[in-house]
Amino acid sequence: ETGVTQSPTHLIKTRGQQVTLRCSSQSGHNTVSWYQQALGQGPQFIFQYYREEENGRGNFPPRFSGLQFPNYSSELNVNALELDDSALYLCASAVAGMLTSGANVLTFGAGSRLTVL
Amino acid sequence: GDSVTQMEGPVTLSEEAFLTINCTYTATGYPSLFWYVQYPGEGLQLLLKATKADDKGSNKGFEATYRKETTSFHLEKGSVQVSDSAVYFCALSRGRGSQGNLIFGKGTKLSVKP
Repeated sequence: ETGVTQSPTHLIKTRGQQVTLRCSSQSGHNTVSWYQQALGQGPQFIFQYYREEENGRGNFPPRFSGLQFPNYSSELNVNALELDDSALYLCASAVAGMLTSGANVLTFGAGSRLTVL
Repeated sequence: GDSVTQMEGPVTLSEEAFLTINCTYTATGYPSLFWYVQYPGEGLQLLLKATKADDKGSNKGFEATYRKETTSFHLEKGSVQVSDSAVYFCALSRGRGSQGNLIFGKGTKLSVKP
């Protein structure tokens, strides 16, 4: 089975620009979560998508938005980029039933490293 | 709110040394607890988990026991190898209905020297 794949792997943007990051979930998974990992820090939950709708959100402003498509892939969009948005963005997928059972086994991608200048 | 605290790194050990990475948590209810590992240039991989008090998670020689009385989930390995060099993250979820939201510690970087 294929794992979680993310693109692009690296990108550089300037302040005020917009960025779109993409994620293909693992085969058989139907939920996608996005995390931001600043340098030297642990990942922080941005939001989760299930059935093409946002289904939980962390402490991130509305300029962070997302989409989930019928094939369960997902996009993370960030508008009006700020220097502090520089980070590794991780996508993770899971089977919804596993999440509600409490086992919460997420499979992570390798991430997209965003640098904002 | 819920939080995870892990020991500061980096930790440097010689091959075959004993490893302990401390992790304590603050949470309401009965969270599930996890250890993830991140190798250079890669995403997070689940190392082990425990879903209720007194459970012991184990994998690849690593172990951690869910201690509700001390709110801890310390990671241990009896004999580390160079290939264990990575960053280790302790995490919790609030269990049922957690919506894929894991709360992570800041990570502990482990370097194992031959």
